[in-house]
Amino acid sequence: EAGVTQFPSHSVIEKGQTVTLRCDPISGHDNLYWYRRVMGKEIKFLLHFVKESKQDESGMPNNRFLAERTGGTYSTLKVQPAELEDSGVYFCASSQPGQPYEQYFGPGTRLTVT
Amino acid sequence: AQKITQTQPGMFVQEKEAVTLDCTYDTSDPSYGLFWYKQPSSGEMIFLIYQGSYDQQNATEGRYSLNFQKARKSANLVISASQLGDSAMYFCAMRETVYSSASKIIFGSGTRLSIRP
Repeated sequence: EAGVTQFPSHSVIEKGQTVTLRCDPISGHDNLYWYRRVMGKEIKFLLHFVKESKQDESGMPNNRFLAERTGGTYSTLKVQPAELEDSGVYFCASSQPGQPYEQYFGPGTRLTVT
Repeated sequence: AQKITQTQPGMFVQEKEAVTLDCTYDTSDPSYGLFWYKQPSSGEMIFLIYQGSYDQQNATEGRYSLNFQKARKSANLVISASQLGDSAMYFCAMRETVYSSASKIIFGSGTRLSIRP
């Protein structure tokens, strides 16, 4: 069974540019989460989808971040325009319906904003 | 407010020795779950072990066990017979309201474990 995949693995962009991160959850996992780890700090929750609906987006830092999950399959996280403080590792995780506690993480996307 | 505290930023342990990684938590919710994740140098987050707040026994998964002391709000990870491949970053984490579908995880700052041959 394929795990959670994320693309790209690494992205380097300039301040002011736009970047879109993609996450493909494990097949059949209704729950999809985005987290990020800014350098030297804890991993922080960004938002949670149940299928295509945003269940909790309390961790989204500001309106420069837009997450979508069309059709309840893969999800994208767009940062527009990117700022220096957005640099970090963005993780996606997924879990089965009814088992939200066991979240399987993807390898992460390392975003560097210069 | 919910919080996870890992007081050991780094640890060195001799191969084959047991190691305990400390974790304390704070929550006002009576229902919660505790996790440990391993992050090797390759970057992925690997789920290791889970403990529910109502579980009577400490969780075990192979060489991993979770020393759950509810009154002290601690959830230390014990790795028995450490191996070189155990060298990684370890994160303690907590999820509140076990049966809710709105389930964000709160992470600690992590402990970097290095195993010496």
